[in-house]
Amino acid sequence: KQEVTQIPAALSVPEGENLVLNCSFTDSAIYNLQWFRQDPGKGLTSLLLIQSSQREQTSGRLNASLDKSSGRSTLYIAASQPGDSATYLCAVFTGNQFYFGTGTSLTVIP
Amino acid sequence: NAGVTQTPKFQVLKTGQSMTLQCAQDMNHEYMSWYRQDPGMGLRLIHYSVGAGITDQGEVPNGYNVSRSTTEDFPLRLLSAAPSQTSVYFCASSYRGAGADGYTFGSGTRLTVV
Repeated sequence: KQEVTQIPAALSVPEGENLVLNCSFTDSAIYNLQWFRQDPGKGLTSLLLIQSSQREQTSGRLNASLDKSSGRSTLYIAASQPGDSATYLCAVFTGNQFYFGTGTSLTVIP
Repeated sequence: NAGVTQTPKFQVLKTGQSMTLQCAQDMNHEYMSWYRQDPGMGLRLIHYSVGAGITDQGEVPNGYNVSRSTTEDFPLRLLSAAPSQTSVYFCASSYRGAGADGYTFGSGTRLTVV
């Protein structure tokens, strides 16, 4: 069974810092990997989607990488802002199911 | 706007009552699923469907029924509500296969069972 792990579980940084969130998965047979953001009491918003044939995707201050062979993905956030405070989840799709990590709770301190 | 629509947004039920949470998508996605999210436990898969007429159980299916008569709709039925089913429920959909566009989530239904 696919297992997805996110490290760290919580992270607190001062505004302006660059930071990296990590996601690892046990089975490399995936179709894609997706990063989501969830604000308290809200739904999940898709940030970046990386297909299995891709190495990275970028959107604004966000950059996500994928190393399928090693079962790892990173989400890089540049010049963090207080508005980036949220829980970040990664998910892998195997064709039949999505498997989610338990998330990293990010706090950006003004 | 295209997307996943969940109704209702909020619901309070009494123990033993039944109800249906509605989920509809207009993106022609084959794959649809229901999750519940509880504090400190992350997302847990209840049921999913890979196409019309096909459903399967996820991690926590007990107490819930689903059906998929059309590509667009995937309702979740609570047969006899229990306080343990108090949670936030999310519906999500996706294309299947390589090159899929990724998961799209609805905005959630907050259910309280008293």
